[in-house]
Amino acid sequence: KQEVTQIPAALSVPEGENLVLNCSFTDSAIYNLQWFRQDPGKGLTSLLLIQSSQREQTSGRLNASLDKSSGRSTLYIAASQPGDSATYLCAVRPADDKIIFGKGTRLHILP
Amino acid sequence: EPEVTQTPSHQVTQMGQEVILRCVPISNHLYFYWYRQILGQKVEFLVSFYNNEISEKSEIFDDQFSVERPDGSNFTLKIRSTKLEDSAMYFCASTYRRTNTGELFFGEGSRLTVL
Repeated sequence: KQEVTQIPAALSVPEGENLVLNCSFTDSAIYNLQWFRQDPGKGLTSLLLIQSSQREQTSGRLNASLDKSSGRSTLYIAASQPGDSATYLCAVRPADDKIIFGKGTRLHILP
Repeated sequence: EPEVTQTPSHQVTQMGQEVILRCVPISNHLYFYWYRQILGQKVEFLVSFYNNEISEKSEIFDDQFSVERPDGSNFTLKIRSTKLEDSAMYFCASTYRRTNTGELFFGEGSRLTVL
């Protein structure tokens, strides 16, 4: 059974620092992995999607990597800003349609 | 930019009442989903829907739940007789492809409070 784990559960960093969020999954048979951002009480905003054949994807200050064989993904945020404060979720799409989410990392950027 | 829209944003209901949550997926998308998130917990898969049929459903999606695409644009989730433990945020999502390139787009959610 696929399990997705995100570490750390919460993270506070000063503004301007680069940071890395981690996601691990137990079954490497995935179609893709998607990173989302969730603001309190709000929906999920898609940040990046990495296909199973890809190693990384970039969008602006965000870079996501995927190492399928070891069951790991990282989300790198460069030059963090207070507006980056949110919960970041990773989700894996297995061969069936039951996309599995991690519990998220709650990120707080200190001004 | 196209988006998934959900109504209502918040619904309060009494235990045992029926609730219908509505979603309008992105117009050219073919696959539709409902997820829920109980406060402080993970986002959980409920059901996927394609070609007017349920494709997959989780153990949570029991006989109290049903989904429907009554017309070309709406996708609904019905809970027949709500329980206290149904209180959660319900998210609708859609995608164009159910493959490795299929990016999932979510709505803002409907918060359901069962009293």
